[in-house]
Amino acid sequence: DQQVKQNSPSLSVQEGRISILNCDYTNSMFDYFLWYKKYPAEGPTFLISISSIKDKNEDGRFTVFLNKSAKHLSLHIVPSQPGDSAVYFCAASTNSGGSNYKLTFGKGTLLTVNP
Amino acid sequence: NAGVMQNPRHLVRRRGQEARLRCSPMKGHSHVYWYRQLPEEGLKFMVYLQKENIIDESGMPKERFSAEFPKEGPSILRIQQVVRGDSAAYFCASSPPFGPGQYFGPGTRLTVT
Repeated sequence: DQQVKQNSPSLSVQEGRISILNCDYTNSMFDYFLWYKKYPAEGPTFLISISSIKDKNEDGRFTVFLNKSAKHLSLHIVPSQPGDSAVYFCAASTNSGGSNYKLTFGKGTLLTVNP
Repeated sequence: NAGVMQNPRHLVRRRGQEARLRCSPMKGHSHVYWYRQLPEEGLKFMVYLQKENIIDESGMPKERFSAEFPKEGPSILRIQQVVRGDSAAYFCASSPPFGPGQYFGPGTRLTVT
């Protein structure tokens, strides 16, 4: 049962254009969402996050949008750069009041930004 | 990734041998998570530990796998009697006492021959 889904295995965009990566989730208990970027043979690097009490969070070229009613979030990168080419993972966590924030990951989307 | 150390980066074991994976969290972090990534899959939670305590091991296989985070030293993920299906990338993440932010190490790539 996949609780976090990234339905696009890959995405290709032109340098300077917008990249939009999508993520859907099924568990309504998730209250915190994160995006990680991963290069081959490296660990995931944290990019940006959003709490369920917000619908938008922005950090430089990266913006995450959350639509709770649709259980959908997206990551916008604008403008896209060749160095953004990597696998992007959507992750979610739920906190029941303790310190356990274990993450549930999607399968990832490979973004390729063409010069 | 800065600060979370994992070793070895690559580990080759024959079927039936033991694998020991080590994780040193970032300075000031006392919480460690272990995740496993199988080929073409996302990362899957295995276990969450604080110093000297296993808090959540709901993602750990029932047999052959164990984890510890002693008072002194790194966290250890131990796999006994490895099988080919254990071949994967194992990632450790550390976090401060509060908040959901997790910082990942570079991973250990285990190959079972």
